[in-house]
Amino acid sequence: DIEMTQSPSSLSASVGDRVTMTCRASQSVRTYLNWYQQKPGKVPTLLIYSASTLQSGVPSRFTGSGSGTDFTLTITNLQPDDFATYYCQQSYTNSLSFGGGTKVEIK
Amino acid sequence: VQLVQSGAEVKKPGESLKISCRGSGYSFSTYWIGWVRQVPGKGLESVGIISPSDSDTRYSPSFQGRVTISVDKSINTAYLRWSSLKASDTAMYFCVRRPRKDGLPFDSWGQGTLVTVSS
Repeated sequence: DIEMTQSPSSLSASVGDRVTMTCRASQSVRTYLNWYQQKPGKVPTLLIYSASTLQSGVPSRFTGSGSGTDFTLTITNLQPDDFATYYCQQSYTNSLSFGGGTKVEIK
Repeated sequence: VQLVQSGAEVKKPGESLKISCRGSGYSFSTYWIGWVRQVPGKGLESVGIISPSDSDTRYSPSFQGRVTISVDKSINTAYLRWSSLKASDTAMYFCVRRPRKDGLPFDSWGQGTLVTVSS
């Protein structure tokens, strides 16, 4: 089973900041890596798939990169609506495992 | 695209339960349907997925043998069933849709079904 590890588990940032979070897979997942956003009490939504492809309707301030075992999600010009928890997920195997999440909080 | 799940459930340990997810607005049999668990205050865990066209089912190792995923394609509905609930099954369960092409993500989510198991 592929384990996904996200870091940091939480971070504090201000509106307008650039934030970066990472996701590491226990073995190569090629570019089969997805990112989801979840706000408190809400359903998760897909942000990025295949490591770097923005889901339709997602603002361009979200950028995904990486391949193999190491991936990054970057948010530039952080907006109030972006304070949420972000999860990575591998879709290389059908276990479709998630990372533990990175919570982005207001500084 | 809509995935509409059944309502919240409160059960006792040892009881059985089946929750449902009905898909609409797309060709139901051409996508995987899956389930994701979220324990209150915790992260997301993939339970498993099923192909409505042939009932091919894949479980995550942590859930294999503990739940059963099934589908009735005649009514565009997938199910998640427990034969004997435990308190540790208390969680929100999301229904998800996944395109059949290899490597793609969950692109649509249901509203969630809260399952509470308590004596």
